[in-house]
Amino acid sequence: AQSVSQHNHHVILSEAASLELGCNYSYGGTVNLFWYVQYPGQHLQLLLKYFSGDPLVKGIKGFEAEFIKSKFSFNLRKPSVQWSDTAEYFCAVIPNSGYALNFGKGTSLLVTP
Amino acid sequence: EAGVAQSPRYKIIEKRQSVAFWCNPISGHATLYWYQQILGQGPKLLIQFQNNGVVDDSQLPKDRFSAERLKGVDSTLKIQPAKLEDSAVYLCASSLVIRTGGVHNEQFFGPGTRLTVL
Repeated sequence: AQSVSQHNHHVILSEAASLELGCNYSYGGTVNLFWYVQYPGQHLQLLLKYFSGDPLVKGIKGFEAEFIKSKFSFNLRKPSVQWSDTAEYFCAVIPNSGYALNFGKGTSLLVTP
Repeated sequence: EAGVAQSPRYKIIEKRQSVAFWCNPISGHATLYWYQQILGQGPKLLIQFQNNGVVDDSQLPKDRFSAERLKGVDSTLKIQPAKLEDSAVYLCASSLVIRTGGVHNEQFFGPGTRLTVL
């Protein structure tokens, strides 16, 4: 079945640590890839997206993600996290032939001071 | 610009009761989505509208769920009768159109309605 998998459900990091959240998908063909973030008490908002071109995508707040087509992966990274990065992170995929976002289960990130 | 508005923010009902959620998308956005997010899972699409027409409702449990967007602007999602497993956050999102130049447009999400069915 087509799906989006996020490897880590709960991550706890200290401030200034590096972050990498894994995302794999099982859709064939061309896909559009997204990372969304939900800060405590706030609504889902777009962190970054990839449609084509440079597989290294930069987003807001110092986040970046790398699309590796051969591995069907779109991992999110940040070199140094801050306490304000505490949030739920969702990877999502839209097959080029599709319409709606297909989300992973999310990763809850807690950054401790 | 004003974001996607949803009401109510919270709703508690008993099973077999009915409930309705309202969504007002960003002005000018032709595409509107309703997602269901069960605790511990990512959002799942229920129904998608382009203007006042349904694009995809394949995952909408049509025996109890219904949705409309009569004038192509705001939308209502209804559950009748509710079951315990309907407890979730119901998210509304909108985008300008589905795609522009072959690229999917960003979807903007509202704050959601948290439904608890007792």
